[in-house]
Amino acid sequence: EIVLTQSPGTLSLSPGERATLSCRAGQSVSSSYLAWYQQKRGQAPRLLIYGASSRATGIPDRFSGSGSGTDFTLTISRLEPEDFAVYYCQQYGSSPITFGQGTRLEIK
Amino acid sequence: EVQVVESGGGLVKPGGSLRLSCAASGFTFSIYSMNWVRQAPGKGLEWVSSISSSSTYIYYADSVKGRFTISRDNAKNSLYLQMNSLRAEDTAVYYCVRGNVGDWGQGTLVTVSS
Repeated sequence: EIVLTQSPGTLSLSPGERATLSCRAGQSVSSSYLAWYQQKRGQAPRLLIYGASSRATGIPDRFSGSGSGTDFTLTISRLEPEDFAVYYCQQYGSSPITFGQGTRLEIK
Repeated sequence: EVQVVESGGGLVKPGGSLRLSCAASGFTFSIYSMNWVRQAPGKGLEWVSSISSSSTYIYYADSVKGRFTISRDNAKNSLYLQMNSLRAEDTAVYYCVRGNVGDWGQGTLVTVSS
């Protein structure tokens, strides 16, 4: 199975700052089938990005995804108060589907 | 509007059984693969099982293989997870997911405890 490693584990930033989250795969992710989710406490994960760089419906353009192969990045250009949450990457190009362990984005 | 709604969670003793259901609406259920993903309290996301649109292909995580059974009824737009021989480590919120990425339900909590 493809192991996904997210870094950092916790990211402390202030509203208005830029956030850069990393997801590294143990082997190449097929056809860039890499997604990013946001999860707030007590809620289901919300899809942000699929296909490594395509924004899901209704996702603000301050969220962007990039990367290919084994290295992927989620960037939030200017943090809003509602963006502080846990973020997960997921690969769905190879079976089984796997998730990263998550990055907690907290207010500094 | 796409909706997937899980039900059937609850408190069960170790060794017991539970059947989860997922009711789908707002999309053509019969053409989508479906997945179950779980999240233990305070932990990350773990894929549990998947089933192809016509039930031809079924996969399980090693942690549940031989104990859980996924199934679907396309006529009823429903997905199921039969969970047997439950263990404390199966305690989690179980999510129903349309396809390999995308729409998730709000989850149903399964607690395995004596």
